[in-house]
Amino acid sequence: EIVLTQSPGTLSLSPGERATLSCRASQIISSAQLVWYQQKPGQAPRLLIYGASARATGIPDRFSGSGSGTDFTLTISRLEPEDFAVYYCQRYGSPYPFGQGTKLEIK
Amino acid sequence: QVQLVQSGAEVKKPGASVKVSCKASGYTFTRHYIHWVRQAPGRGLEWMGLINPSGGSTSYAQNFQGRVTMIRDTSTSTVYMALSGLRSEDTAVYYCAREDFFDTSGYYLYWGQGSLVTVSS
Repeated sequence: EIVLTQSPGTLSLSPGERATLSCRASQIISSAQLVWYQQKPGQAPRLLIYGASARATGIPDRFSGSGSGTDFTLTISRLEPEDFAVYYCQRYGSPYPFGQGTKLEIK
Repeated sequence: QVQLVQSGAEVKKPGASVKVSCKASGYTFTRHYIHWVRQAPGRGLEWMGLINPSGGSTSYAQNFQGRVTMIRDTSTSTVYMALSGLRSEDTAVYYCAREDFFDTSGYYLYWGQGSLVTVSS
């Protein structure tokens, strides 16, 4: 069974800085299957990136996804105050595992 | 517009069962699988299973096999998730989410608002 490990667990940065979040799979997965979500307290997750690098409709271009094989990255080029949240990666394929999440907090 | 509206919060005793509903609107109900994902307080997202509203076929996560049942009612465009043998660790927000695809890439664009299930004696 594929396990997704996200790092770091918590990332403390300031608005305007660049954020780099990692998602590592225990086995090679297709890039088509890698998805990123953002979740804020009390809200359902929000789709950011699918197919490892395609931005969902309405997602600002400061969000970008990259990677292949077992290593995937979500990059936020210049943090805005509303970007501080928890981010999850998911392998979209049975059994649809999620990573444990990275909390992006204001420094 | 696409909406997934879930049933309200529930409080259950250990050993009991719970049934959460997810009513879909704004699209053809039978054209998109519905998945269920839960989130315990302060924890991450956990996939529970999925249902094909067209034929009713299901696939459940191994962790929930034997305890979870997902059914659909096409007359009301509603999917139900029932979980039995509740224990305190099942206290969580339960979400339904619609499966979408672009080419070969799947994802959840539409989510229900979440239903809090609290298991407490």
